[in-house]
Amino acid sequence: DTGVSQDPRHKITKRGQNVTFRCDPISEHNRLYWYRQTLGQGPEFLTYFQNEAQLEKSRLLSNRFSAERPKGSFSTLEIQRTEQGDSAMYLCASSLYLWAGGRNNEQFFGPGTRLTVL
Amino acid sequence: SQQGEEDPQALSIQEGENATMNCSYKTSINNLQWYRQNSGRGLVHLILIRSNEREKHSGRLRVTLDTSKKSSSLLITASRAADTASYFCATDPRGGGSEKLVFGKGTKLTVNP
Repeated sequence: DTGVSQDPRHKITKRGQNVTFRCDPISEHNRLYWYRQTLGQGPEFLTYFQNEAQLEKSRLLSNRFSAERPKGSFSTLEIQRTEQGDSAMYLCASSLYLWAGGRNNEQFFGPGTRLTVL
Repeated sequence: SQQGEEDPQALSIQEGENATMNCSYKTSINNLQWYRQNSGRGLVHLILIRSNEREKHSGRLRVTLDTSKKSSSLLITASRAADTASYFCATDPRGGGSEKLVFGKGTKLTVNP
């Protein structure tokens, strides 16, 4: 399977605990994105990387959230001191950005990690 | 906040009928994309239409874009029960230096066999 993969698929944790999610993008893709989706809503952008550089962060990404992409391949999203409001589906997407040619920000999504904070 | 707004929020049709979903947005865009999401799953990319295009086809899908009205429509012809899913439009806003996609709240489509 050469698509975007995410691990774990489901995570249940108690309020105050730390959680970490992993995303493996499509191998040749240089951009990786994290989104959050709550019930009945569309995905909301959190952050994105180009190779290992984190180039943009949303205001939704509080200081309890941190994301890394250390070698420009897989990425991790950590939430510290989880709150019940963090319960959501966390989606990862990747894309191939080419400097030459037209803009084509087509993103390929993984299956998501569903977080439930009790 | 989300830029796109899909209409209707929910749509229920019989198998074989056509389904039309609309999307309105607020700012200038580079392109607009439609995604499908089955319940509790990730998003599947359906089609991308650039700002200089007016219509695009892919199989049973037809997408139109009217940049003067800042709106797009997705038509699914000859619907099947397997088309049951939520459909989202996502805009790639022009300018501002952002690379994110901005999603609407989605249309929940139910195709009854």
